[in-house]
Amino acid sequence: KAGVTQTPRYLIKTRGQQVTLSCSPISGHRSVSWYQQTPGQGLQFLFEYFSETQRNKGNFPGRFSGRQFSNSRSEMNVSTLELGDSALYLCASSSGLAGATDTQYFGPGTRLTVL
Amino acid sequence: QKEVEQNSGPLSVPEGAIASLNCTYSDRGSQSFFWYRQYSGKSPELIMSIYSNGDKEDGRFTAQLNKASQYVSLLIRDSQPSDSATYLCAVNQAGGFKTIFGAGTRLFVKA
Repeated sequence: KAGVTQTPRYLIKTRGQQVTLSCSPISGHRSVSWYQQTPGQGLQFLFEYFSETQRNKGNFPGRFSGRQFSNSRSEMNVSTLELGDSALYLCASSSGLAGATDTQYFGPGTRLTVL
Repeated sequence: QKEVEQNSGPLSVPEGAIASLNCTYSDRGSQSFFWYRQYSGKSPELIMSIYSNGDKEDGRFTAQLNKASQYVSLLIRDSQPSDSATYLCAVNQAGGFKTIFGAGTRLFVKA
């Protein structure tokens, strides 16, 4: 079974631009979660989608948004990029049906650098 | 108080020794607990999950959970240099569709 895929793997943008990252979950998984990982803050939860609905979100500004499509693929968008948005963005997929015992599997990540 | 706390390390152990990694969490309603391993430049990979109090063993790895003390640990027996990585403790919050990660503990296994 293919794993979680993320595109692109690397991205360089300048301040003020916007960026869209894509995540395709494991086949059959309906939940996608997004995380931001930085050396100083560790893995920070951005949001979780299940069947095209956002079920939870973390404490990030409104510049960070996401969506999920009917095939469970998800995108996240960051508008008006700031230097502090430079990070590894990880998505994780899970069935979304196991409640608290749901296990997440991570994609390889997208490394975003904002200049 | 952080929701999930881990000693950042680094923790250094000799090859063949037992490495002990610890994690505490603040949400008493948390139900599921996970350990992930992350090599430098790579994404986290799941090692163990544990849901009930007690020990759970998988090969050289043993996860221990004590909900009364809000404490989770991971023991790695017969540590190998290939175990050198950052170990992330993760907790699923009750009913919240949200997983909280600790900052991770860096482990070095010296050959």
